[in-house]
Amino acid sequence: KQEVTQIPAALSVPEGENLVLNCSFTDSAIYNLQWFRQDPGKGLTSLLLIQSSQREQTSGRLNASLDKSSGRSTLYIAASQPGDSATYLCAVGIQGAQKLVFGQGTRLTINP
Amino acid sequence: GAGVSQTPSNKVTEKGKYVELRCDPISGHTALYWYRQSLGQGPEFLIYFQGTGAADDSGLPNDRFFAVRPEGSVSTLKIQRTERGDSAVYLCASSTTSFGEQFFGPGTRLTVL
Repeated sequence: KQEVTQIPAALSVPEGENLVLNCSFTDSAIYNLQWFRQDPGKGLTSLLLIQSSQREQTSGRLNASLDKSSGRSTLYIAASQPGDSATYLCAVGIQGAQKLVFGQGTRLTINP
Repeated sequence: GAGVSQTPSNKVTEKGKYVELRCDPISGHTALYWYRQSLGQGPEFLIYFQGTGAADDSGLPNDRFFAVRPEGSVSTLKIQRTERGDSAVYLCASSTTSFGEQFFGPGTRLTVL
């Protein structure tokens, strides 16, 4: 059974810092990996999608990497801003099943 | 263009009642998913539709839960004899293909008293 773990559960940093969020998964048989952002009381906003054949994707100040063989992904946020404060969720798409398995998320707080 | 929409945004009901939650996917998206998110947890898969048929309903917790998508667009999640443990946010997502990027709606917060 695929399990997704996100570390740390919560992170608080001052504005302007570069930071890394970690995601690990137990089964490397995935077809893609998505990073989402969730603001309190809101739905999920897709940030980055990495296909299983890709190593990384970039969007603005965000960069996500994927190491399928070791079961790890990282989300790098450059020059963090208070508006980046949210919960970040990692999810893997399981091969042979059209569904996402989510981690529990990292709650990020950027302090002005 | 319009994203995934869900109605109602909030639903409060009494234990034992029947509820219906509606999802309007992005136009043209053939794949539709329902997830459930409890407080402080990541979403958990419930059911997946490809077109009109439920291709995978392995995540439905029991037979009180049922979902339909009769015309391959709008979907309704139906919960019979609601229990307090059913309280959660129910999220709907859609994608262009079965293995595509999933786009989520704002969710329906269900509270069972």
